[in-house]
Amino acid sequence: SQQGEEDPQALSIQEGENATMNCSYKTSINNLQWYRQNSGRGLVHLILIRSNEREKHSGRLRVTLDTSKKSSSLLITASRAADTASYFCATYRSGGYQKVTFGIGTKLQVIP
Amino acid sequence: DVKVTQSSRYLVKRTGEKVFLECVQDMDHENMFWYRQDPGLGLRLIYFSYDVKMKEKGDIPEGYSVSREKKERFSLILESASTNQTSMYLCASSFLGTGGYGYTFGSGTRLTVV
Repeated sequence: SQQGEEDPQALSIQEGENATMNCSYKTSINNLQWYRQNSGRGLVHLILIRSNEREKHSGRLRVTLDTSKKSSSLLITASRAADTASYFCATYRSGGYQKVTFGIGTKLQVIP
Repeated sequence: DVKVTQSSRYLVKRTGEKVFLECVQDMDHENMFWYRQDPGLGLRLIYFSYDVKMKEKGDIPEGYSVSREKKERFSLILESASTNQTSMYLCASSFLGTGGYGYTFGSGTRLTVV
């Protein structure tokens, strides 16, 4: 079953603008991860935020987590054409399978 | 550079054929996973393994089996390929007990069954 749901499903912006993608989930989690997938390729792990963290930065990426609302956002600042990709959130919950559950993704297009 | 390597980028097989998808990782990860990815459905877990010779069913195991004879290698087997198994197949690995540090993915195998 899919845990995370990204919003919007597709986003088109101009180079240099900021891109914001949101993720909502349904049950308690241990951490939430964001991945990028370039067309026809595998997923690349971008950033992980733990359930006791509220915000995390990595280069031009900023992730927030609101466990009370069961939501997360990924902000890419000063976007570049090379950021064009699909972005997935994934939730991790320990116990049982100890597996990560992926959302359907947001397709980001950055127009040069 | 650490890697998960999938043996084929593109594969075309006939209905009814037995198909083997191979995945090798060089990170000494205990966990290995097979997902399939379809438009509008996201990534769905087929099988995973947390140790040699161990396997667990994921969300959609029907029509698939797996083999893990060595720690670094995890094979996905389509016993009798069908057209509804046309998909992108992604292998991933991670350390045991961690979704904690994220998964490392291979580049994917796009399988077409005709």
